[in-house]
This record gives sequence, structure tokens and C-alpha cells, in this order.
Amino acid sequence: GENVEQHPSTLSVQEGDSAVIKCTYSDSASNYFPWYKQELGKRPQLIIDIRSNVGEKKDQRIAVTLNKTAKHFSLHITETQPEDSAVYFCAGDSNYQLIWGAGTKLIIKP
Amino acid sequence: EAQVTQNPRYLITVTGKKLTVTCSQNMNHEYMSWYRQDPGLGLRQIYYSMNVEVTDKGDVPEGYKVSRKEKRNFPLILESPSPNQTSLYFCASSLTHSGFQFFGPGTRLTVL
Repeated sequence: GENVEQHPSTLSVQEGDSAVIKCTYSDSASNYFPWYKQELGKRPQLIIDIRSNVGEKKDQRIAVTLNKTAKHFSLHITETQPEDSAVYFCAGDSNYQLIWGAGTKLIIKP
Repeated sequence: EAQVTQNPRYLITVTGKKLTVTCSQNMNHEYMSWYRQDPGLGLRQIYYSMNVEVTDKGDVPEGYKVSRKEKRNFPLILESPSPNQTSLYFCASSLTHSGFQFFGPGTRLTVL
């Protein structure tokens, strides 16, 4: 079955700098890769997703890249702001399920 | 307003006392699932449902039951809760398994 690994588990960046979170997956049949943001005490919310027929997708300060050959995908946040502080989860679809990474706690230092 | 609702939001119970956590969505989604979230372990799927009367086990189904008699509702049943089921539970729904999942607000369960 699918295994999704996410790194790093904690990431601390200076406000204004960029942050990159990486995930690898094992199921070559996976086609859908969402990223969710979870603020403290709240539910996960989708911030961006990508499908396997696309290599990169952007939405303002957020971008996701996908390398199907290497089976990894990454979340890029530019010009980080205090409100970007949260836990970020990646996931990949496999056998009618979403398999999730363990999460990355992003800390934005003022 | 499109939403997924869960009840109760908080529950403290004792070992062995049957409980049900309800989940309801108003988006006519076919796919619904239950997750538990524990520190350092991310989101782990308990059960999922592709449509009415179609349910299947996720990664951690032991100790849980579900039913999908109506499209909008997907209750999670703990027949005999144990302390290792103390966790934060989320219900989610989407059009398909590979689509935008709407999450409910979560249910924090403590089993003493």
C-alpha cells in the first residue's frame, strides 16, 4: 500500500523568507496530491492540490511541484507571514483512500 | 452554507460504554470518511464510504464500526471504547476519494 513520508517535522523560518516542505510517496498509481493546513485547535483545510498530469501549480504565495519519476512533491510558501504558522499535511491517493504524511509544524519567527 | 457537522464536539466517557459520534454533510457528497488524529501520527483513516451502503476499512478500523444508510450521514460507533481510543476524530466528505475533502470541526474523545 501507499506510504507517504513528510519532511521536516518542524520548520522554523524568518518572516518574509521562503519555506519548503517535502513529501515522498510509494504508490506509482497515485494521481492526486493535496496539501492541507491545520491551525491550532482547528480542522484541516485544503490549501492547494495537484494531479499527476501537472508538474507545478501556483496560487499566490503558495506553489506545489510534483516529480512523478522520483515520486516526490513539495509545498513552497514564499514571503512567509505570521498567519502561515500552522501544521501542514501532505497526502496521496491510493486504493480509494488518502494516505497522509505525519505533518510539518511551520514556525514563522518575527 | 456547505458544511460537515459532527456531534458531540467533546466527550469524556468510561471504558466499555458504547458511544456514537454523528457526522452529517449537506453537499450531496458520495465519499465520506473518518479519521483519528494523534500527536506525531498525522491523520489515520478509520473507515470510509464510497456511497450509501458501501463502507470499507481504512488503516486503523479495529474497535470501530460505521454505517451509511443515507448519503448525508456517516456515524462512527465505538461498541466498547478503550483508553487507546482517546483521540481527536474528524469526519470528512468529498465528491470522490481523490478530491477536495471537507472536514468536520472534530470530536475530542477521552476514554477513562
